[in-house]
Amino acid sequence: DTEVTQTPKHLVMGMTNKKSLKCEQHMGHRAMYWYKQKAKKPPELMFVYSYEKLSINESVPSRFSPECPNSSLLNLHLHALQPEDSALYLCASSPAPLNTEAFFGQGTRLTVV
Amino acid sequence: AQSVSQHNHHVILSEAASLELGCNYSYGGTVNLFWYVQYPGQHLQLLLKYFSGDPLVKGIKGFEAEFIKSKFSFNLRKPSVQWSDTAEYFCAVNPTTSGTYKYIFGTGTRLKVLA
Repeated sequence: DTEVTQTPKHLVMGMTNKKSLKCEQHMGHRAMYWYKQKAKKPPELMFVYSYEKLSINESVPSRFSPECPNSSLLNLHLHALQPEDSALYLCASSPAPLNTEAFFGQGTRLTVV
Repeated sequence: AQSVSQHNHHVILSEAASLELGCNYSYGGTVNLFWYVQYPGQHLQLLLKYFSGDPLVKGIKGFEAEFIKSKFSFNLRKPSVQWSDTAEYFCAVNPTTSGTYKYIFGTGTRLKVLA
């Protein structure tokens, strides 16, 4: 199994809603990532988890809250988002240590209304 | 600041033409280098990667890339493109600073191949 699975594929939420994005991998990877990709832009790193601990937060607003319950799962909790947060949210994973590539999921297309 | 530059934002080629996409990075330490491709409606897929050794690396679908350390470059090439190569191509850098798991992407190049 070489897949990173993200759910849901599409999500529409209001600015007062609370929702969560989910990501799962069964490749035994110990590093997991959240990226944000706006239209016609490259993926931008948001968070990195290494061995289930948050190792990088790229100054992401607190309305985005990541969680890594175990080595296979990664969540992104969303609360009080703004319309400009609408984007494709990508999850990725990679083996640890370094000198490996990242494997990406298909993403969740988020629209904030 | 660490950054990755891709000079060609849009490229249009006819089938069988040769392709070269430029990628430069600004980071003084050791890096791992990647090219990813994103076909319309699909997820990012790895084309090829460089960690060490032979600076000319071959990837899937006939793509290759050359790492030139002195120029901080990792250009992607293909001798003869096909219509199915129409996609967006991203160069990515992973600085190998201890404890850093970061993949930094360039701005991307949209390739359109005309049949």
